[in-house]
Amino acid sequence: GENVEQHPSTLSVQEGDSAVIKCTYSDSASNYFPWYKQELGKGPQLIIDIRSNVGEKKDQRIAVTLNKTAKHFSLHITETQPEDSAVYFCAAWTSGAAGNKLTFGGGTRVLVKP
Amino acid sequence: DGGITQSPKYLFRKEGQNVTLSCEQNLNHDAMYWYRQDPGQGLRLIYYSQIVNDFQKGDIAEGYSVSREKKESFPLTVTSAQKNPTAFYLCASTDIGVSSPLHFGNGTRLTVT
Repeated sequence: GENVEQHPSTLSVQEGDSAVIKCTYSDSASNYFPWYKQELGKGPQLIIDIRSNVGEKKDQRIAVTLNKTAKHFSLHITETQPEDSAVYFCAAWTSGAAGNKLTFGGGTRVLVKP
Repeated sequence: DGGITQSPKYLFRKEGQNVTLSCEQNLNHDAMYWYRQDPGQGLRLIYYSQIVNDFQKGDIAEGYSVSREKKESFPLTVTSAQKNPTAFYLCASTDIGVSSPLHFGNGTRLTVT
């Protein structure tokens, strides 16, 4: 089955600096890669996603890149703000005979220091 | 407001008791999922269902059971066979056919003592 590795597990940045989170996946059939932000005591919220036919996508201060050959994808947050502090998860979506599944990385706790 | 409702937010049970967590969605999604999250960990898939009256085991199904009698409901039972049931449980749903994002509820924190 799919395996998703995420690094780093914690990331501390100064307000205004950039944050980068990297993920690798194992199943070359995975075709959709969403990123989620989770605040304490809440469910994850989608912040950006990318499909396998696209190499890069940007939404204001957030961007995601995908390298299908190397099977890795990254989240970039520019001009970080204190409200960006949260846990971020990458995930890979795989379609199979038993149905469609989303496999998550282990998460990155981001702390933005004012 | 469309969304996923998980209830209750906090649940306490004694060891040896079965407990059922509720998940209801009004997004008209076909597929529903249950994930478990332990402190400082990622989300692990317990069970998922693509259509009413059908469901599949995820990566950590042992000690859990589900039913899918209605499109909008996907309850999860944590049985006494689950060795470490204390965790944060998240329910999610999505459309099927085309890969699309999961929409999550706000979770149920289960504590078993």
